Amino acid sequence: DAKTTQPNSMESNEEEPVHLPCNHSTISGTDYIHWYRQLPSQGPEYVIHGLTSNVNNRMASLAIAEDRKSSTLILHRATLRDAAVYYCILGQGGGNKLTFGTGTQLKVEL
Amino acid sequence: GAVVSQHPSWVICKSGTSVKIECRSLDFQATTMFWYRQFPKQSLMLMATSNEGSKATYEQGVEKDKFLINHASLTLSTLTVTSAHPEDSSFYICSAREPTGGRLNTEAFFGQGTRLTVV
Repeated sequence: DAKTTQPNSMESNEEEPVHLPCNHSTISGTDYIHWYRQLPSQGPEYVIHGLTSNVNNRMASLAIAEDRKSSTLILHRATLRDAAVYYCILGQGGGNKLTFGTGTQLKVEL
Repeated sequence: GAVVSQHPSWVICKSGTSVKIECRSLDFQATTMFWYRQFPKQSLMLMATSNEGSKATYEQGVEKDKFLINHASLTLSTLTVTSAHPEDSSFYICSAREPTGGRLNTEAFFGQGTRLTVV
């Protein structure tokens, strides 16, 4: 599986935007970029995914570099409920497995 | 959206006993489900892929005789931790993805997890 690299932790203030980076220099042409987050003592939750173009949904935006070797998850206005571990994962299409890396612990302060 | 439900949410068992964890897809059929294990302060580790009607596929280093997986229907997979020991205490999480229906990629849905404590 292609590997992703994320910072161990990041901090943000409430109501401010947050940019969570992810490097995936060995990404293959068929790999989708997935983002999931995990709140304490819960299962992961889907955030967003994309292949080549930038993506937006109600939770976040995903900006994908033109060479696809990196991506950024953007939370437009962080809230205390966004404090979680965010995982950037590369996955093949269809129902294939997802392999989790270490993720980024996001701390949101008042 | 689709929901994956696990039961129980937590369980405490004595060393040497077996524990069964259920994972259900509530509003879609899942021919494949995934089982993960997570130790404190660590990431999720994939244990096995559960295939409906056939044998599970285990990741390297995971003992198939200790972690029994049964996927008897399109909405239910079970993980049985046999002869549990304190080192098996962990957070176990299942996951399933909706059938693609022609779409190139689908999101994965995760259960809420099961906290197993072996005493």
